Amino acid sequence: AQKVTQAQTEISVVEKEDVTLDCVYETRDTTYYLFWYKQPPSGELVFLIRRNSFDEQNEISGRYSWNFQKSTSSFNFTITASQVVDSAVYFCALTLNYGGSQGNLIFGKGTKLSVKP
Amino acid sequence: DSGVTQTPKHLITATGQRVTLRCSPRSGDLSVYWYQQSLDQGLQFLIQYYNGEERAKGNILERFSAQQFPDLHSELNLSSLELGDSALYFCASSAGLGDTGELFFGEGSRLTVL
Repeated sequence: AQKVTQAQTEISVVEKEDVTLDCVYETRDTTYYLFWYKQPPSGELVFLIRRNSFDEQNEISGRYSWNFQKSTSSFNFTITASQVVDSAVYFCALTLNYGGSQGNLIFGKGTKLSVKP
Repeated sequence: DSGVTQTPKHLITATGQRVTLRCSPRSGDLSVYWYQQSLDQGLQFLIQYYNGEERAKGNILERFSAQQFPDLHSELNLSSLELGDSALYFCASSAGLGDTGELFFGEGSRLTVL
């Protein structure tokens, strides 16, 4: 069975601090996709990144960076120089690559990030 | 704005009742997905439709049903409602069968069952 674990339920930081959100996944499949979504207080889910299981290259997008390590089944998300607007719940998700069901995401429980001014 | 429209945004009803949630996918998207977000269960996949046909089922209760119409909008029907059905119901869409993996989510329909 597939599972995504986000052990950090809540994190609170002060603006400009760096923060890392942890994500550990479980799957026996060799082909899978990992995602991060952001859910701001307004409630919608915003796509941040997708990574497939064959691409372990880390990615940086502005203040956001992602570290994918298959050896530890982790896909961690770092926000550099956090800002108040980063306050949200962040979800890590996993999907397998079969039969057109790649959109059936298995979500972690989420990490609520609060960035204080 | 993701381009996915969900109505109603908020709904309050009583136990035993039936409600219908509606979703219009992004223009051109053929796949529609329904997810439930509750405090107990977190975000859970319910069901997927592709071009009018059911494609995959997740943890959807038998009291719940969905369909996708020829114009590609989708409806999620929830019947014999229980207190535990109170949740935020998301609709998402993607262009194909989710092969890009990027789902575009609507703002959700918040259901409160009293």
